[in-house]
Amino acid sequence: AQKVTQAQTEISVVEKEDVTLDCVYETRDTTYYLFWYKQPPSGELVFLIRRNSFDEQNEISGRYSWNFQKSTSSFNFTITASQVVDSAVYFCALSEATYSGGGADGLTFGKGTHLIIQP
Amino acid sequence: AAGVIQSPRHLIKEKRETATLKCYPIPRHDTVYWYQQGPGQDPQFLISFYEKMQSDKGSIPDRFSAQQFSDYHSELNMSSLELGDSALYFCASSLEHGQVGYGYTFGSGTRLTVV
Repeated sequence: AQKVTQAQTEISVVEKEDVTLDCVYETRDTTYYLFWYKQPPSGELVFLIRRNSFDEQNEISGRYSWNFQKSTSSFNFTITASQVVDSAVYFCALSEATYSGGGADGLTFGKGTHLIIQP
Repeated sequence: AAGVIQSPRHLIKEKRETATLKCYPIPRHDTVYWYQQGPGQDPQFLISFYEKMQSDKGSIPDRFSAQQFSDYHSELNMSSLELGDSALYFCASSLEHGQVGYGYTFGSGTRLTVV
């Protein structure tokens, strides 16, 4: 069975600090996909990144960066120079590619990390 | 760019009533997923459809059913509603065809309140 663990329930930092959100996953599949979503107070789930298990390159998008390490089954997310607008709940999620002929499995989400950026 | 459209945005129902939630995926997306998110919880996968056929099933109660129509929109039917069904219901869509979760996008959700 697959599992995603986000050990940090809540993180509070002051604006402009860097912050890293941890994500550890468990899966028996060799092919799988990892996602990060942001859920602001308004409630929608905003897609941030999708990464497949064969691509261990780190990715940077503006102030956001992701560190994928298969050796430790981790897919951590770092926000550089945080801003108040980054305040939200962030979810890490996993999908195993166990289908054949099309159609993906549903995502398994972690419990989320509530990030609070104080001005 | 077009997004996943869910309707209604808010819904209030009484216990034992029925509810129907609708989802219109991003054009050309072939897979639709339904999730339930209780207060303070992570989203829980309910069910998915690929090319109008049920693809995967999660923790969907027997009181709930869903289908995907020829135009790819999907409906989640919920009967004998209970107080515990109060939650945010998300629909998501993606383009599969051998690339899992490509463009996996969520709608804004339907907030269901059962009183």
